[in-house]
Amino acid sequence: AQSVSQHNHHVILSEAASLELGCNYSYGGTVNLFWYVQYPGQHLQLLLKYFSGDPLVKGIKGFEAEFIKSKFSFNLRKPSVQWSDTAEYFCAVTHNNAGNMLTFGGGTRLMVKP
Amino acid sequence: DTGVSQDPRHKITKRGQNVTFRCDPISEHNRLYWYRQTLGQGPEFLTYFQNEAQLEKSRLLSDRFSAERPKGSFSTLEIQRTEQGDSAMYLCASSSRSGSQHFGDGTRLSIL
Repeated sequence: AQSVSQHNHHVILSEAASLELGCNYSYGGTVNLFWYVQYPGQHLQLLLKYFSGDPLVKGIKGFEAEFIKSKFSFNLRKPSVQWSDTAEYFCAVTHNNAGNMLTFGGGTRLMVKP
Repeated sequence: DTGVSQDPRHKITKRGQNVTFRCDPISEHNRLYWYRQTLGQGPEFLTYFQNEAQLEKSRLLSDRFSAERPKGSFSTLEIQRTEQGDSAMYLCASSSRSGSQHFGDGTRLSIL
């Protein structure tokens, strides 16, 4: 069974610091990759996704992620975080042999200090 | 923007009782998913419908759990004889055939 690992469970940054959240997955075949964000009290929202093509994907709110197939990784980055980025971030994967079910990582809780 | 709607938002019940949750997907989406999320964990897949057909079920979905989508629109998730371990947030998501999944706010279930 495939799995998704997010190495950082909690991250605390000051405003304007750069962010990189790690995500690794275990499946070796063709995958679709996602980052979702959950702001306090809100539902999961899609930040960005990778299906194919350019491995550097740009999403909403200045986030981007890079798919590195050889490393089974899809790390999320933002050059300069804001207080409003305080949220929980989830990496997720689907693959062709598992229909459309999303397999999520355990999440990373980000706190940005003003 | 009419997103995915879930009802109720919170459910508190005694152990052994049956509960039923409802999910109304985005109207043009033919795919509907149920996930469960416990504290400090990412969501875990439970089951998936394409129109009214239930196409996938997780091993997490014990025989106390049943889900339906009778007309290919809204869906219900029923848990019979609830147990303490059923306490979780139950999330519903919907998508079009090739689209990304959009999530609802979830139903938080607490078992006393």
